[in-house]
Amino acid sequence: GESVGLHLPTLSVQEGDNSIINCAYSNSASDYFIWYKQESGKGPQFIIDIRSNMDKRQGQRVTVLLNKTVKHLSLQIAATQPGDSAVYFCAGPYNTDKLIFGTGTRLQVFP
Amino acid sequence: DTAVSQTPKYLVTQMGNDKSIKCEQNLGHDTMYWYKQDSKKFLKIMFSYNNKELIINETVPNRFSPKSPDKAHLNLHINSLELGDSAVYFCASTRGQGVTEAFFGQGTRLTVV
Repeated sequence: GESVGLHLPTLSVQEGDNSIINCAYSNSASDYFIWYKQESGKGPQFIIDIRSNMDKRQGQRVTVLLNKTVKHLSLQIAATQPGDSAVYFCAGPYNTDKLIFGTGTRLQVFP
Repeated sequence: DTAVSQTPKYLVTQMGNDKSIKCEQNLGHDTMYWYKQDSKKFLKIMFSYNNKELIINETVPNRFSPKSPDKAHLNLHINSLELGDSAVYFCASTRGQGVTEAFFGQGTRLTVV
């Protein structure tokens, strides 16, 4: 079946360092991806999205890179802060009518 | 000012009971969803409604019945609750049908004992 998955279940980084969270997808026809952040006790929150006609998109302290050749995308967080600690999900389309989520990566930021 | 709100936030109930979770969005969105998140944080879509019409109905036991009285509300009723129903249930909404940015509620943590 279709899947959007993540390589690492947990990522620990030191405050101030950059974080990179990876995601692989299997459907080469996928044309839209979203990164979500879920803090403890809260619902997923939109961070950034990217369409397949782009390789890179930048937001505030975050950058998403899309490599369609190897069906991989990543979320880079610059100067990681304690408030960035959360579970991060990549999500992509299955067919045209639903968003499916990867398994999530827990980001832990230590001082 | 909450965009997508669910009630209750926590729900503890005994096996065999029937319970409902309510969801409301004030974003003017046309499409609403229910997702289930298990203990490993895996998020799986259950249902979606577009303008009160059922669009997606994943392989979910028929003990789960969504109801959308209007496009701003999508409730989830669960009959004969089982231990395996314990999870966090999230309501979400999108501007239209199809894959686009979804706004999520805070979740309802359901515990069946």
